[in-house]
Amino acid sequence: EAQVTQNPRYLITVTGKKLTVTCSQNMNHEYMSWYRQDPGLGLRQIYYSMNVEVTDKGDVPEGYKVSRKEKRNFPLILESPSPNQTSLYFCASSFSGTGYNEQYFGPGTRLTVT
Amino acid sequence: AQKVTQAQTEISVVEKEDVTLDCVYETRDTTYYLFWYKQPPSGELVFLIRRNSFDEQNEISGRYSWNFQKSTSSFNFTITASQVVDSAVYFCALYRSTGANSKLTFGKGITLSVRP
Repeated sequence: EAQVTQNPRYLITVTGKKLTVTCSQNMNHEYMSWYRQDPGLGLRQIYYSMNVEVTDKGDVPEGYKVSRKEKRNFPLILESPSPNQTSLYFCASSFSGTGYNEQYFGPGTRLTVT
Repeated sequence: AQKVTQAQTEISVVEKEDVTLDCVYETRDTTYYLFWYKQPPSGELVFLIRRNSFDEQNEISGRYSWNFQKSTSSFNFTITASQVVDSAVYFCALYRSTGANSKLTFGKGITLSVRP
C-alpha cells in the first residue's frame, strides 16, 4: 500500500531534550515536506526537500533541522525543543517538486513539549 | 504572495441543514490548484477535491459540491443535508510550484459542528 508513515504518532517530551520525528514514504517520491499545524493558523511549511541531499527552508524553519540522506526518509529533528514547538506535525511527499503533483500526507505526529 | 482566507472560524448547524464553507484566495500565478481537505477529530488530513485554475466547472460529489469562481477568487464548499459525521475541521489550500518548491498554502481552517 502506497503510504507516508510517521513515527511516533504521539510524543510528550521536556524542554531541551533532542528528538527526531521520522517520516518515510514507499512511493519513490522525490519531493518531501514537513508542515506544522497550530490552532487558528492552519498548516505551515517548515522544510522541504526536492531530492536526496537537497533541502531548504519553508515558512517556519526556526528550531528545526532536517536531513535527506535517502530518498524514502525525511526526518525532522528538534535539537532543543521548546514549548512553542508543541504542535501537530505532518509529513508529505509527492512524485516531484516541479509542476503539479499530488501531495500525500502522513497521519500526523502530535508533539507536546513541557 | 499567496494567501488563503477562510473568514469563518466556527460553524454550528443542526443535522440535515445545508452549510457553505467559504474560501477566498490570492495569487499572481495563472496556473494554480485549489484543494479542500477534511480533518476529522482523529487528526488525519482527508483529501476532498482538487481544482485547477483553468477548470471553472462546479463539481458535485454526493452531498458535497464546490463552486469555483475566478472572478471573485473564491472556491466555496457546500455540504447538503449535513450529517454528524461531517463534523470536522475543513481546510482550503492553494498549491503553487515555483520550480524550487511545491507548497500548499493553507487557510486557517473552519471548524464545523453538526448537532443531531
